[in-house]
Amino acid sequence: AQSVTQLGSHVSVSEGALVLLRCNYSSSVPPYLFWYVQYPNQGLQLLLKYTTGATLVKGINGFEAEFKKSETSFHLTKPSAHMSDAAEYFCAVSENQAGTALIFGKGTTLSVSS
Amino acid sequence: GAVVSQHPSRVICKSGTSVKIECRSLDFQATTMFWYRQFPKQSLMLMATSNEGSKATYEQGVEKDKFLINHASLTLSTLTVTSAHPEDSSFYICSAELGGTEAFFGQGTRLTVV
Repeated sequence: AQSVTQLGSHVSVSEGALVLLRCNYSSSVPPYLFWYVQYPNQGLQLLLKYTTGATLVKGINGFEAEFKKSETSFHLTKPSAHMSDAAEYFCAVSENQAGTALIFGKGTTLSVSS
Repeated sequence: GAVVSQHPSRVICKSGTSVKIECRSLDFQATTMFWYRQFPKQSLMLMATSNEGSKATYEQGVEKDKFLINHASLTLSTLTVTSAHPEDSSFYICSAELGGTEAFFGQGTRLTVV
């Protein structure tokens, strides 16, 4: 069985500060890991995903995440927050690289203040 | 990129009536689509996997007679909430798989049952 835990339901940062959103996973098979962003009343947009290969994955909007198997983690970071980054972020795991039948974490709301 | 369209984006219905939500892949064919449900301030939960030309596969705890899924063509899956009640009020999101490479999400449907 697979599961995802996102630590911190709400993260607040100042504009220009580092963004760190934490995600830990549990999987009995090699995991495929995803980060999605959701703006209010909208669907999900894929930020990045880890399938195989390089453990540091770069995504859109300046976000990146590092897969650490020993820590079962896939934390999302961005060096400098922008006001437009304020949204809900979901970490998810799938048994396939297409990201179907996803198991989502509870989500983290990111607030960015000026 | 691939586009998935959901309709309607918002719907209000009376308790006891049925509501149909459409999920269309606009520029690709999708043999498999997925339906998720998101309660306020919570994560997305996979409800069912919709397979073109065959019966949907429902997740544990999801009432198949209440949430009817029809995937009649390679570009359209529908979710019908039958005999809706206020507790069915939620945000419903679909995703469509593009050739085993990536799943693309619709913009979601906000259902309010009054």
